[in-house]
Amino acid sequence: QVQLQESGPGLVKPSETLSLTCTVSGGAISPYCWNWIRQPPGKGLEWLGYIDQTGKSRYNPSLERRVTISVGTSKSQISLDLKSVTAADTAVYYCVRYLYGDSRPSWFGPWGQGTLVTVSS
Amino acid sequence: DTQMTQSPSSVSASVGDRVIITCRASQGIGRWLAWYQQKPGQAPRLLIYGASNLQSGVPSRFAGSGSETHFTLTISSLQPEDFATYYCQQAESFPLTFGGGTKVEIK
Repeated sequence: QVQLQESGPGLVKPSETLSLTCTVSGGAISPYCWNWIRQPPGKGLEWLGYIDQTGKSRYNPSLERRVTISVGTSKSQISLDLKSVTAADTAVYYCVRYLYGDSRPSWFGPWGQGTLVTVSS
Repeated sequence: DTQMTQSPSSVSASVGDRVIITCRASQGIGRWLAWYQQKPGQAPRLLIYGASNLQSGVPSRFAGSGSETHFTLTISSLQPEDFATYYCQQAESFPLTFGGGTKVEIK
């Protein structure tokens, strides 16, 4: 059974870049889309974007200028970079796989446990 | 963007009660809707996709219905483990969007 594990700094300073890694185990990267979703404390869920099996990324327009999702060199890792962060970017960040292998809009299957990132000086 | 609106935002219910949660889309999305359950400190878990398809391992007391702009999630007989927050999500177009959540609390 596939498992996803997010990792990265828990504290990032304002204006800096938030960088997280999702390590995938127990399953193949292909042919799925790998998403990042975040949840500010006590609030709802926001889809940030995905990277598909061809390496093509798609982002939420609300964040498109600041977000980059990529596949790591190990090919079992998915990375998230979010530039120029502010306190509004404080959230639990989840790595999430589509339920099925597809790059159309779809629903989410396996989720990582999430990692809390706080933006503060 | 397709806006998803859930109601109520919270509901108090007792074990054994029938609970109905509504999700409305700002435009027609066919049956491209999923429901998730989230317990405190945990990641969301997929319950239903395609508006009414039960994900593997999900108890049959959960049922989804609806199409286009109006959807419902029904829990036929609330169990202690069902106290959680529930989210709908549209999968008809990008950006993928979620409802604001419905918290099911113990009465």
